[in-house]
Amino acid sequence: AQSVTQLGSHVSVSEGALVLLRCNYSSSVPPYLFWYVQYPNQGLQLLLKYTSAATLVKGINGFEAEFKKSETSFHLTKPSAHMSDAAEYFCAVSVPNFGNEKLTFGTGTRLTIIP
Amino acid sequence: GAVVSQHPSWVICKSGTSVKIECRSLDFQATTMFWYRQFPKQSLMLMATSNEGSKATYEQGVEKDKFLINHASLTLSTLTVTSAHPEDSSFYICSVTSEDTQYFGPGTRLTVL
Repeated sequence: AQSVTQLGSHVSVSEGALVLLRCNYSSSVPPYLFWYVQYPNQGLQLLLKYTSAATLVKGINGFEAEFKKSETSFHLTKPSAHMSDAAEYFCAVSVPNFGNEKLTFGTGTRLTIIP
Repeated sequence: GAVVSQHPSWVICKSGTSVKIECRSLDFQATTMFWYRQFPKQSLMLMATSNEGSKATYEQGVEKDKFLINHASLTLSTLTVTSAHPEDSSFYICSVTSEDTQYFGPGTRLTVL
């Protein structure tokens, strides 16, 4: 079974500051890892994904994440926060299963941007 | 990525009635769709896997007779909450898988009075 731990249910950063959202995973087989963003009363939007290619993954809106197997981590970063980044962020893990990959989500991190 | 729609976006119903939620894959033929439930300020919990032309697979603890899933075509899956009660009030989200990635619909907020 797979699991995801997101450290920090709430993170606040100043506009223009570095954003770092932490995610650690557990998986008995090589995992696929994802970051999704959710704005209020909306579905989830894919930010980026790792599926065993390059360990540094670049996503939309200036976000990136690095897969570190030795640390079982997949932290999300953005060099400079923007007000529009305020949202809920979910890390998720799955394993290859011929198109039937079930996602296991972390508990989410609410990102607040301070003007 | 795949584009997914849901209808309705929100619904209010009386306790004891049934509510049907549609999930459509607009640009992709999806043999598998997933249904999730999200309570306020919580993460998404997988309810069931919807398989085109066959029975859905439900996660442990999810009542299959209460949450009826029909996946009659490659672009449409429906979730019917039967005899809804206030504790069924939640945000229901569906997704489809394309190239190892799940793409989500905008969600349906159900409020049961």
